[in-house]
Amino acid sequence: GQNIDQPTEMTATEGAIVQINCTYQTSGFNGLFWYQQHAGEAPTFLSYNVLDGLEEKGRFSSFLSRSKGYSYLLLKELQMKDSASYLCAVRSRNAGKSTFGDGTTLTVKP
Amino acid sequence: NAGVMQNPRHLVRRRGQEARLRCSPMKGHSHVYWYRQLPEEGLKFMVYLQKENIIDESGMPKERFSAEFPKEGPSILRIQQVVRGDSAAYFCASSPRTGGEGYTEAFFGQGTRLTVV
Repeated sequence: GQNIDQPTEMTATEGAIVQINCTYQTSGFNGLFWYQQHAGEAPTFLSYNVLDGLEEKGRFSSFLSRSKGYSYLLLKELQMKDSASYLCAVRSRNAGKSTFGDGTTLTVKP
Repeated sequence: NAGVMQNPRHLVRRRGQEARLRCSPMKGHSHVYWYRQLPEEGLKFMVYLQKENIIDESGMPKERFSAEFPKEGPSILRIQQVVRGDSAAYFCASSPRTGGEGYTEAFFGQGTRLTVV
């Protein structure tokens, strides 16, 4: 089975940096995804990590440590539009499905 | 992602009726996943299908729920004799292949919001 934990809520200030953590336990790991979901909308893909290290994509970066079962999503230069839910998802080896955490609701304040 | 089409966007059913949710994957995608999302919660996996095959239905309730992905046409998630607890957003995602070689992100549809009254 899989168990994915991430904080329920976070608040940050416009222009700042925020780090959203995700820890997981899985029997067979085949990649970790981060998705962004605005209220009432579909999740949209942000990043994918399968090897240890940092993947940078513009204002967003994602880090993975497989030995620690740990990932984080780093958002820089926060904008009001970044207020959303951020979902961590782990894909199992030999399985197409991904298991999602409950999401972290980020509120960006002026 | 606008490429995955789900309909209807909103569906209201009375208790005991049937709900049929449709999902047309992106062009060229042969893998479909259904997820359910309750308010203020994350996505819960229900079923994973390829054309004419159910690959993994470990998240699907044993009763009242069924899914299919025929050779022609959209994938259908069917809920019989709906109850109020079935009220949720149901998302469909598609990908071109599994993650066995390289990664394949899943593209999500806009979801169907089912309300049971």
